[in-house]
Amino acid sequence: EAQVTQNPRYLITVTGKKLTVTCSQNMNHEYMSWYRQDPGLGLRQIYYSMNVEVTDKGDVPEGYKVSRKEKRNFPLILESPSPNQTSLYFCASSLRGTANEKLFFGSGTQLSVL
Amino acid sequence: SQKIEQNSEALNIQEGKTATLTCNYTNYSPAYLQWYRQDPGRGPVFLLLIRENEKEKRKERLKVTFDTTLKQSLFHITASQPADSATYLCAPGGGSTLGRLYFGRGTQLTVWP
Repeated sequence: EAQVTQNPRYLITVTGKKLTVTCSQNMNHEYMSWYRQDPGLGLRQIYYSMNVEVTDKGDVPEGYKVSRKEKRNFPLILESPSPNQTSLYFCASSLRGTANEKLFFGSGTQLSVL
Repeated sequence: SQKIEQNSEALNIQEGKTATLTCNYTNYSPAYLQWYRQDPGRGPVFLLLIRENEKEKRKERLKVTFDTTLKQSLFHITASQPADSATYLCAPGGGSTLGRLYFGRGTQLTVWP
């Protein structure tokens, strides 16, 4: 089944403790992206990757890191999480980018930073 | 910067009626516009994509229009059903925003029996 898989589904952590949210897609998509969703603010793009080893900032990249060493994986790294990073995170992918391409989203990761 | 506005955060309609959702955008010229459905706690799911040279697009009970002069898209659900209750997001994209896709905040639709 074609899908975008995020793990974990729920995560509670404490300020400053490094964490990684994994994202994997099995559709051989070139493009992957991370979004966060907050009440009243909608979906905001954090980082995106047009292909392996190619990443770029979205609207809210501060406090996040990403890497794209393999086509299928695009992990989101929070090296020193803070409470304002408490949010619902979504990974998404598409075949070649956002030009005329629909996005496939993962099921989300609800992160709470205490 | 780009700005996307979707009409009223919530829309309540009776089953069987047509729901009309509005998406207005400013400060850019998208080459296409996408609509997604999102259920609580789940990831958005793609519904329709309409290009700037298309005035209207249909898929089953869904219809989307795209007016580049008005900078507006309308999303219609005909013969609405309670199962259509969800949040609907619009996402204008393309042009100079390659790699970026901006989403509106969404309209929460509730269809009551």
